[in-house]
Amino acid sequence: GDSVTQMEGPVTLSEEAFLTINCTYTATGYPSLFWYVQYPGEGLQLLLKATKADDKGSNKGFEATYRKETTSFHLEKGSVQVSDSAVYFCALIPTGNQFYFGTGTSLTVIP
Amino acid sequence: GAVVSQHPSRVICKSGTSVKIECRSLDFQATTMFWYRQFPKQSLMLMATSNEGSKATYEQGVEKDKFLINHASLTLSTLTVTSAHPEDSSFYICSARGQGVYEQYFGPGTRLTVT
Repeated sequence: GDSVTQMEGPVTLSEEAFLTINCTYTATGYPSLFWYVQYPGEGLQLLLKATKADDKGSNKGFEATYRKETTSFHLEKGSVQVSDSAVYFCALIPTGNQFYFGTGTSLTVIP
Repeated sequence: GAVVSQHPSRVICKSGTSVKIECRSLDFQATTMFWYRQFPKQSLMLMATSNEGSKATYEQGVEKDKFLINHASLTLSTLTVTSAHPEDSSFYICSARGQGVYEQYFGPGTRLTVT
């Protein structure tokens, strides 16, 4: 069935370090892929998305490229800030309604 | 962007009682709302999907008589956990979607603790 496998955390980085959070998926057809972010005490917010192969989603310095050949959608940021500390969820919608979420990766950025 | 609120943010109740959680779309009409449950260090698990004015569609394994969902208006859906037990303790998150779009907007979640 459809599923998302996400890098386990927690991840702790120093400010200005490079971030990669791995995400791979299993799905039939051509799903849309998403990264959501959850800041402490808040709801999930859409960070970026990609709807077809080779699309690159980007927002706030974060990027992820839809790689159909490797079924991956890794999240990257070149230089993290303390304000990026949050939990990041990879997700997909294969077709229709239902989101499939990864387990979430907690990121802490220290000054 | 679109805003979804949940109330309460935290609730503690005694075993055997019922508790209601509200999910509201504040600035758009939510034709479809979704209820998720999140266990510690686990994924969000979809519990049910509700369309305004219709009965909710429950995912396999979710007891519809225990988790009552009502979506009576385009801005409000409620989840009532009936006869709550400690194993129902969890983080419940709702999301909402407008007509003709697939993007969902998530509420901040409700932490339920059953003692």
